[in-house]
Amino acid sequence: DTAVSQTPKYLVTQMGNDKSIKCEQNLGHDTMYWYKQDSKKFLKIMFSYNNKELIINETVPNRFSPKSPDKAHLNLHINSLELGDSAVYFCASSSRTGEEGKNIQYFGAGTRLSVL
Amino acid sequence: RKEVEQDPGPFNVPEGATVAFNCTYSNSASQSFFWYRQDCRKEPKLLMSVYSSGNEDGRFTAQLNRASQYISLLIRDSKLSDSATYLCVVNPFYGGATNKLIFGTGTLLAVQP
Repeated sequence: DTAVSQTPKYLVTQMGNDKSIKCEQNLGHDTMYWYKQDSKKFLKIMFSYNNKELIINETVPNRFSPKSPDKAHLNLHINSLELGDSAVYFCASSSRTGEEGKNIQYFGAGTRLSVL
Repeated sequence: RKEVEQDPGPFNVPEGATVAFNCTYSNSASQSFFWYRQDCRKEPKLLMSVYSSGNEDGRFTAQLNRASQYISLLIRDSKLSDSATYLCVVNPFYGGATNKLIFGTGTLLAVQP
């Protein structure tokens, strides 16, 4: 059973289109995230939701809109896609804990987005 | 200065070698530290958490030096299957809702037969 699953795995689209990526976790976690990994392999957080509430919103263009219908799902909608949006997008989830070293994040397999 | 800095490598080592990776972080209030491993075209996966007292898991040893804001990973008896990118990861917050991971750019390890 896949713990954090993302769809689609690959997404090839034209500039200007609108697309969505879906993420689901079956780990019972209460926090979910979206990360972007660019061509230089640098992984950077975009958004974080805790129990459907937006917690972290890094300086991401407002063309990117996350939506969390429940704590097991976090989707990412991107409007007016640009060439620079081409990257791998990873979803992750974790549980809240104050215990040292235990607030581990588990990642989905990634969605490879290519904007032509 | 980057929040988490690592030598990008590549580190090319023969099988059986011992290799060490280092990482520094800028936020002295950081509380949780991890090493993740990322294989080519795969997602990052937790290798090990790094505890204040240092910890070992088989051939892997992680150390934390809070005074110097420095984390290390030692791999003994390298295997071909250890070839991957090793990501130093810092969480500035101790649990809670703002559980934000800051990733280093990763160190590429290539173990040669």
